Amino acid sequence: NAGVTQTPKFRILKIGQSMTLQCAQDMNHNYMYWYRQDPGMGLKLIYYSVGAGITDKGEVPNGYNVSRSTTEDFPLRLELAAPSQTSVYFCASNWGGSYNEQFFGPGTRLTVL
Amino acid sequence: AQKITQTQPGMFVQEKEAVTLDCTYDTSDQSYGLFWYKQPSSGEMIFLIYQGSYDEQNATEGRYSLNFQKARKSANLVISASQLGDSAMYFCAMREVWGGSNYKLTFGKGTLLTVNP
Repeated sequence: NAGVTQTPKFRILKIGQSMTLQCAQDMNHNYMYWYRQDPGMGLKLIYYSVGAGITDKGEVPNGYNVSRSTTEDFPLRLELAAPSQTSVYFCASNWGGSYNEQFFGPGTRLTVL
Repeated sequence: AQKITQTQPGMFVQEKEAVTLDCTYDTSDQSYGLFWYKQPSSGEMIFLIYQGSYDEQNATEGRYSLNFQKARKSANLVISASQLGDSAMYFCAMREVWGGSNYKLTFGKGTLLTVNP
């Protein structure tokens, strides 16, 4: 199993550009999550999905969009990138329910200049 | 108000000694879970240990144990026999209800552990 994979690993964007961060998992997990980690801080939830076709907002959803057309993939879309979106983005997945740990991808380091 | 508080921005420990990383939490839920994750300098998040609020015994996983004191709302991570490879950022996280019937993790700001040879 590859687990949770994310692409790209690094990206530099100019203000106003758009991009999609890719996330895929091969563990057949129902739940998938996007977090951002700002310098010196813990992770904050951006969006999550409980299954294909079902997504919902987390704590910090503004400036982002998601879709979940398959169980495996959960892309995060940034429209009109802003410097405040400079961060490390983590995708995670688990079976859901109340006890399972979340399995994290390696992260994408995004800089908006 | 912060829901997860890690009061130690940085900690130092000698190799082979034990170290305790502090975590206090705030919740009014009866059912919740507490997790510890390790983030080495390479950046990935590695799950270490889990404690459920109804678990009567402290969780243990190899050299990691969780000192769970429910009345004090603390869930400290104890690493025994520290190794150089334990040098990393450590995050405490709490599972809480989000969106009605789903769950999310709320993270603390982390503690940077440095193991000295």
